[in-house]
Amino acid sequence: KAGVTQTPRYLIKTRGQQVTLSCSPISGHRSVSWYQQTPGQGLQFLFEYFSETQRNKGNFPGRFSGRQFSNSRSEMNVSTLELGDSALYLCASRAGSLLENYGYTFGSGTRLTVV
Amino acid sequence: DQQVKQNSPSLSVQEGRISILNCDYTNSMFDYFLWYKKYPAEGPTFLISISSIKDKNEDGRFTVFLNKSAKHLSLHIVPSQPGDSAVYFCAASGGSNYKLTFGKGTLLTVNP
Repeated sequence: KAGVTQTPRYLIKTRGQQVTLSCSPISGHRSVSWYQQTPGQGLQFLFEYFSETQRNKGNFPGRFSGRQFSNSRSEMNVSTLELGDSALYLCASRAGSLLENYGYTFGSGTRLTVV
Repeated sequence: DQQVKQNSPSLSVQEGRISILNCDYTNSMFDYFLWYKKYPAEGPTFLISISSIKDKNEDGRFTVFLNKSAKHLSLHIVPSQPGDSAVYFCAASGGSNYKLTFGKGTLLTVNP
């Protein structure tokens, strides 16, 4: 069973540019969440999508956005990149039922460097 | 405001001994707690979880203890192995909110 796939693995962008990251969840998983990991802040929740709807959003500026497609694949976009956006962006998926284990499965992440 | 705290940034133990990683939380709405393990350049891997209706959950060498009155949980690894060396994250979730709130992690080093 394939895991959570994130592309690209590494990305270097210039300040002011925008970037789109992609996540393919485990087959059958309808919930996709995004997290930002930085050395100082640990893992911080960005947003969660379930069946193409954003179900929850973290405390990030509007420059951070996302979407989910009908096949559950998800993308997140960061516009007007700032140096502080340099981080590991992690995608996680789970089946999504209220009664099921909360154990999310994470991808390996996309390492974004803003220069 | 950090709702999940892992106060020890690092921990070093000898192979074969017990590793105890601690986590404190402040939000009374949290009712599900998880531990993740992370190697460099990889995503976190789910280890073990516990619901607030329990005070202990065991899976092989890993046991998680929950003390709700103290808002404290701990992960015990017995016996510790060099392959356990990684960053361990405590996470919590609660109510109808599906997001995970993570601690900042503890780097465990198991020395041979």
